[in-house]
Amino acid sequence: DAGVTQSPTHLIKTRGQQVTLRCSPKSGHDTVSWYQQALGQGPQFIFQYYEEEERQRGNFPDRFSGHQFPNYSSELNVNALLLGDSALYLCASSQIPATGELFFGEGSRLTVL
Amino acid sequence: AQSVTQPDIHITVSEGASLELRCNYSYGATPYLFWYVQSPGQGLQLLLKYFSGDTLVQGIKGFEAEFKRSQSSFNLRKPSVHWSDAAEYFCAVGAPSGGSYIPTFGRGTSLIVHP
Repeated sequence: DAGVTQSPTHLIKTRGQQVTLRCSPKSGHDTVSWYQQALGQGPQFIFQYYEEEERQRGNFPDRFSGHQFPNYSSELNVNALLLGDSALYLCASSQIPATGELFFGEGSRLTVL
Repeated sequence: AQSVTQPDIHITVSEGASLELRCNYSYGATPYLFWYVQSPGQGLQLLLKYFSGDTLVQGIKGFEAEFKRSQSSFNLRKPSVHWSDAAEYFCAVGAPSGGSYIPTFGRGTSLIVHP
């Protein structure tokens, strides 16, 4: 049973560029959440997708957007990259109704130069 | 708004010694509390969770946590630490919303284990 998979694992971008990160949820899960984890910090909630719609959103600007596909996989897009966007981006899957456990991928490490 | 404080950035223990990681939360209602562990280069894994009932919760890998409402705390404990327990530990608080959970995480405590 494959867990949560994310791609790419590492990437380097320059300021002003755009990036797309991808996530495949754990088998049987229908909900995907994205988190940003800056160095030395805990994960910060970006948004959650369920039934191909953004259901909840954290305190992140509109430069951060996402999408969920019919097979439940998801993308996170970040436009006009800033140096401060450098972080580990984590995808977590779960199911509704929720059991309280999030299953995390290993993350995509984004470096913005 | 809910928040979590993990007062210890780093904790160093010897292998075989006992461990307690501190977590204090702020939440307006009955909290749902979680501890996650993150090993280097890995995603987060749930160790245990508290929703209601018995305030002493057992988790995986020999960990337990105790919910103390009067102290707004949910400290993680392990009686004997193994070298493989070296990792980052995150406490989180949340509640169901729209059928799902959106936990708020603390900044984490890094556990260093000496042989």
